[in-house]
Amino acid sequence: NAGVTQTPKFQVLKTGQSMTLQCAQDMNHNSMYWYRQDPGMGLRLIYYSASEGTTDKGEVPNGYNVSRLNKREFSLRLESAAPSQTSVYFCATSTGPIQYFGAGTRLSVL
Amino acid sequence: EDKVVQSPLSLVVHEGDTVTLNCSYEVTNFRSLLWYKQEKKAPTFLFMLTSSGIEKKSGRLSSILDKKELFSILNITATQTGDSAVYLCAVEAPRNNDMRFGAGTRLTVKP
Repeated sequence: NAGVTQTPKFQVLKTGQSMTLQCAQDMNHNSMYWYRQDPGMGLRLIYYSASEGTTDKGEVPNGYNVSRLNKREFSLRLESAAPSQTSVYFCATSTGPIQYFGAGTRLSVL
Repeated sequence: EDKVVQSPLSLVVHEGDTVTLNCSYEVTNFRSLLWYKQEKKAPTFLFMLTSSGIEKKSGRLSSILDKKELFSILNITATQTGDSAVYLCAVEAPRNNDMRFGAGTRLTVKP
């Protein structure tokens, strides 16, 4: 019973490259989230999915796209990475207000 | 604009000290306030508060909410080095399950 699993754990990209961050949960939760965490700024919501087949923008969606592939999986795509997207990315799930987080992906864009 | 402000941003204490962490908020249609502990990786849930004046307690940690003054505090008594972490406050925003997080308080407990 892994909870929320994120891959990869670390990634270094060059400006302009694309990549997809993967998130899978085995908690049978409907809601899934992608956050970024930057020093001094707490967690900021990028995108949110209330259920399979639905997604919605959060506070900082620019430069990102998401796919809710099924109930278990929610991926985050950077089409053309920029240095400003250097951050730690967290996926989370919930059935109510309490959210359960993955271990994070540390992304550096050079 | 919704906002959640935590203070202090960082705090260094010695084992055995008592600490109080603060979280103030301005969020429309408040539903709940949550505290999380973040050590090296994922934030983990500590408390959820929805009603004013009712203290939530777990061991040496406790928290209380004041909905009139729009703030919450997290108390840790008899601190231990294992309490060293970033403590995050989050408030449930108007859209269901959409949380606004504060910047966190980094607590360091020295032996």
